[in-house]
Amino acid sequence: GENVEQHPSTLSVQEGDSAVIKCTYSDSASNYFPWYKQELGKRPQLIIDIRSNVGEKKDQRIAVTLNKTAKHFSLHITETQPEDSAVYFCAASIKLGNQGGKLIFGQGTELSVKP
Amino acid sequence: EAGVAQSPRYKIIEKRQSVAFWCNPISGHATLYWYQQILGQGPKLLIQFQNNGVVDDSQLPKDRFSAERLKGVDSTLKIQPAKLEDSAVYLCASSLIQGQLNSPLHFGNGTRLTVT
Repeated sequence: GENVEQHPSTLSVQEGDSAVIKCTYSDSASNYFPWYKQELGKRPQLIIDIRSNVGEKKDQRIAVTLNKTAKHFSLHITETQPEDSAVYFCAASIKLGNQGGKLIFGQGTELSVKP
Repeated sequence: EAGVAQSPRYKIIEKRQSVAFWCNPISGHATLYWYQQILGQGPKLLIQFQNNGVVDDSQLPKDRFSAERLKGVDSTLKIQPAKLEDSAVYLCASSLIQGQLNSPLHFGNGTRLTVT
C-alpha cells in the first residue's frame, strides 16, 4: 500500500548539534522525495528534494540521502540554529499510471533546537 | 510570483452544516491539490486535478466531500454535512508540471476548519 513512515516524531537538540530525520517508503517505483518545513501556523515550504537517480544532495547546512535498495531516505541538518525549530515532513511520490504521480507525506518530526 | 491563495483563513461551523473552501493556484500551474492536515499529522491528499480533470480522489470521502475545478484554474472544496472529525487545516497546493512530479508543490496558507 501507499505508506511513508517518518521517525522520530519529536527531536530535541542543542544549538550547533546535528539533527537527522529518517523516512521509509513502500512503493519501489517512487522516484521523487521532497522535504518540507512547516513553522507553527504557517504553510509547508519545500527545503530540499532528491530524485531517484541521485544518492545524495546538499544545500548549505541541509543534506538528503537516499537508499533505493532499502527504500529509505534521510534529512540531515548540521550546525542547527533556533530558527530551524519547526515540523519537518518527508514525502515520496506514488506513480499514478500515465498520470504522473502524487505525493504521500510522512507524519512529521517536531524539531526543537535549544539555544 | 503571487502564491497560492486560499479563503477563508478560518471557519467555525456546527456539525451537519456545510462549508466551502476556495483556492486560486499560482498562475500557469496545471496541477492543483487539496490536502487535509489534522493536528499533529502530515498532510493527507484528498484530491488532485490536472487542469480541470481529476487525477486521483481515492482518499476523498465522497459521501460528504466534493471538489471541482471547472475552468482549470481556481477550485472549490465542499463538505456537506460536516462531522466533528473534519476539523483540520485544508491546504491547497499547485505545481507547474504534474508528470513524475518534476516540479515542487507550492502550498497556500490553508483554511483552518473547526467543527463543533
